[in-house]
Amino acid sequence: QSVLTQPPSVSGAPGQRVTISCTGSSSNIGAGYDVHWYQQLPGTAPKLLIYGNSNRPSGVPDRFSGSKSGTSASLAITGLQAEDEADYYCQSYDSSLSALFGGGTKLTVL
Amino acid sequence: QVQLVQSGAEVKKPGSSVKVSCKASGGTFSSYTISWVRQAPGQGLEWMGRIIPIFGIVNYAQKFQGRVTITADKSTSTVYMELSSLRSEDTAVYYCVRDRVEGYYFDYWGQGTLVTVSS
Repeated sequence: QSVLTQPPSVSGAPGQRVTISCTGSSSNIGAGYDVHWYQQLPGTAPKLLIYGNSNRPSGVPDRFSGSKSGTSASLAITGLQAEDEADYYCQSYDSSLSALFGGGTKLTVL
Repeated sequence: QVQLVQSGAEVKKPGSSVKVSCKASGGTFSSYTISWVRQAPGQGLEWMGRIIPIFGIVNYAQKFQGRVTITADKSTSTVYMELSSLRSEDTAVYYCVRDRVEGYYFDYWGQGTLVTVSS
């Protein structure tokens, strides 16, 4: 049971927009701690996708965006492409500086 | 460009220990913080702990306290993660990651090391 809650799966057709939610509590996201997002393609190590709630590392397309409000955060993907099919994880931390992950969301491109 | 290269796959018996290495290159090792994250087959990501090599400071997840030891050898820019009292539930891919303490996110990942615990 993960401390951060994500939907197990989402899906969308090519070109569509999808969002993935990440719900925490007043002990983590709601306490003001940043949320980060990772993309894990099949058989590979995760890759940083969004850091500090809404910042994209160099090389990440602007089709990916992040936001945070209260005890939740969201990852949005616009102009969905077949190559976006992957597992997505949110991550935050708590007052002990322990990193916390969501359970992961499998994105299927229809 | 930062690169983290981990040691190879291991097969261990229940009750034994495993030690996985992670050699860093690129950037300045003394300024790094390195965390370990594991992923059981078909499961999500789980943070185990971190080390700040320049200070030798370690911080472990409560779940692994007493069973995990993270150390660093500054002379070889290598970080080690040792997990003891292994059980079948510890079968997982173990990743070393660079931990950006300004936001506690992980920007570089090792290739992963599969540890299989089986009798």
